[in-house]
Amino acid sequence: EAGVTQSPTHLIKTRGQQATLRCSPISGHTSVYWYQQALGLGLQFLLWYDEGEERNRGNFPPRFSGRQFPNYSSELNVNALELEDSALYLCASSLKVPATNEKLFFGSGTQLSVL
Amino acid sequence: AQSVTQLGSHVSVSEGALVLLRCNYSSSVPPYLFWYVQYPNQGLQLLLKYTTGATLVKGINGFEAEFKKSETSFHLTKPSAHMSDAAEYFCAVSDRGNTGNQFYFGTGTSLTVIP
Repeated sequence: EAGVTQSPTHLIKTRGQQATLRCSPISGHTSVYWYQQALGLGLQFLLWYDEGEERNRGNFPPRFSGRQFPNYSSELNVNALELEDSALYLCASSLKVPATNEKLFFGSGTQLSVL
Repeated sequence: AQSVTQLGSHVSVSEGALVLLRCNYSSSVPPYLFWYVQYPNQGLQLLLKYTTGATLVKGINGFEAEFKKSETSFHLTKPSAHMSDAAEYFCAVSDRGNTGNQFYFGTGTSLTVIP
């Protein structure tokens, strides 16, 4: 069974550009989560999608957005990139809500570097 | 909102020594509790979780954790460290009940094992 896959592995952009990150959850998982892992800050919750809808959002500006497709894959878009957006972006999936006692399955992440 | 505190961003132990990584949570209602490990250039993977029942939880790779309600703690231990245990460890909690499927992560503890 394939795990959570993320693409690209690395992404280099310049300030002001837009970045698009992609995630495919484990088959059968309908919930997708996005986290930002910046150096020294641990995992910061960005977005949660389930059944194609945005269900919850972390404390990030609106230029961080995303969507979930009918096949439950997801995209994270970051507009007007800033230097501090440089981080590892992790995608995770889980079974359908309620799932707070279920573990998250993580992808290997996309390392975004903003120059 | 929940918060998770991991005391010590860096812990060093000698090979064969006891590993103790600390985690405290803030909720007055015991949440679900998780420990994840992140090896270099990889996503997070679940070590163990506590949802209900026995407060001493055994996980993979010889790790275990004990839920102590009176101390609001969920410390991770391993009797004898191995070189392969060197990694980043994250404590996470989630609220019981469907309150937005929110998972809260600590800032992580980097474990170094000295030969």
